[in-house]
Amino acid sequence: DQQVKQNSPSLSVQEGRISILNCDYTNSMFDYFLWYKKYPAEGPTFLISISSIKDKNEDGRFTVFLNKSAKHLSLHIVPSQPGDSAVYFCAATRQFEGGADGLTFGKGTHLIIQP
Amino acid sequence: EPEVTQTPSHQVTQMGQEVILRCVPISNHLYFYWYRQILGQKVEFLVSFYNNEISEKSEIFDDQFSVERPDGSNFTLKIRSTKLEDSAMYFCASSEDFGRQETQYFGPGTRLLVL
Repeated sequence: DQQVKQNSPSLSVQEGRISILNCDYTNSMFDYFLWYKKYPAEGPTFLISISSIKDKNEDGRFTVFLNKSAKHLSLHIVPSQPGDSAVYFCAATRQFEGGADGLTFGKGTHLIIQP
Repeated sequence: EPEVTQTPSHQVTQMGQEVILRCVPISNHLYFYWYRQILGQKVEFLVSFYNNEISEKSEIFDDQFSVERPDGSNFTLKIRSTKLEDSAMYFCASSEDFGRQETQYFGPGTRLLVL
């Protein structure tokens, strides 16, 4: 039961170009979405998040877009740098007053930045 | 920058043995989580914990699992009688609040191998 899907297991992008990572979800109850970056042998590192009341959130080189009607979000990294090479996980959760469900993760996309 | 720490980094155990995985969450955080990632699969939510009790748990978190906050700093996951399929990376996470738009910060993980 894949409630959060990342359909591209890997993505190769040239240094300096834009990287676009995509994520789809099926559970309409999700209202908070996050992107995590993970290097081998490390835990996921929080990158950026977006609430369902917004359609865009920007933080430096990272921008997350949310299309609620399509149940789709994307992470844009521009310009891409060699240190961005990692596995990127999309995660979603349902938040409510006084509580929150655990995060539901996608399978991840391995981003490779080529010099 | 404060971070979540986990010990041990690796643990090898025999099937049927008990293991305890330890985590030190970020000091002012009140909500604690365990996740696991079986090799090649996605990160899966196990349990969340607040105010010395379980808040939410997934279907994976059956009777062989338990969590505890034995003192003011540690948060532990116990697997009572390990099975081969418990082999995975186990990640601890913490967040400041359960409220809206709260971000979970992950530790580096413990790699558990059950033989």
